[in-house]
Amino acid sequence: DAGVTQSPTHLIKTRGQHVTLRCSPISGHKSVSWYQQVLGQGPQFIFQYYEKEERGRGNFPDRFSARQFPNYSSELNVNALLLGDSALYLCASSRILSQGEQYFGPGTRLTVT
Amino acid sequence: GQQLNQSPQSMFIQEGEDVSMNCTSSSIFNTWLWYKQEPGEGPVLLIALYKAGELTSNGRLTAQFGITRKDSFLNISASIPSDVGIYFCAGQLNGGATNKLIFGTGTLLAVQP
Repeated sequence: DAGVTQSPTHLIKTRGQHVTLRCSPISGHKSVSWYQQVLGQGPQFIFQYYEKEERGRGNFPDRFSARQFPNYSSELNVNALLLGDSALYLCASSRILSQGEQYFGPGTRLTVT
Repeated sequence: GQQLNQSPQSMFIQEGEDVSMNCTSSSIFNTWLWYKQEPGEGPVLLIALYKAGELTSNGRLTAQFGITRKDSFLNISASIPSDVGIYFCAGQLNGGATNKLIFGTGTLLAVQP
């Protein structure tokens, strides 16, 4: 089975622009979570979606939003980009909400200039 | 954002040596996960632990869920060059509205042939 896929792999944006990142979970997985990983740190939780509903939100500003589609894929949107938004954005999927194991995609490297 | 304390921060060892690293938290978790991340890639799940005191192995890797539920340990035996990477612990309070992961600060492992 294919793992978690993310697109694009790399992205360069200018301050003030917006960006949309995409994620497809492992087949059969209904939950998608988004994490931000700044260089030299562990991933930080941004959002979790399960069955198209937001189930958790981390400490990120309202410029960050996300949604999950009927096929369980997900989009992460970031508006009014700041230099500090430069990071690796990771998507993780799990089969159900109560399952501990989360499987990560390769990430999208976002650079804001 | 919240991060768990991992130690050591980095390790430089010879091939064949055993490695130990640990992760501590001020909060109780009911799941501990260990991931390995290589440059330019997403974290790869190595071991998941679900019960206090549990000891679980995956090949040369062995991890333990601390009795206090506030810590976890990972051991790698007979290290090989392909063990190089950053190892992250992650704690989780699942069973509620979200099963978000709280990551550690990471341990960088370098193995010299």
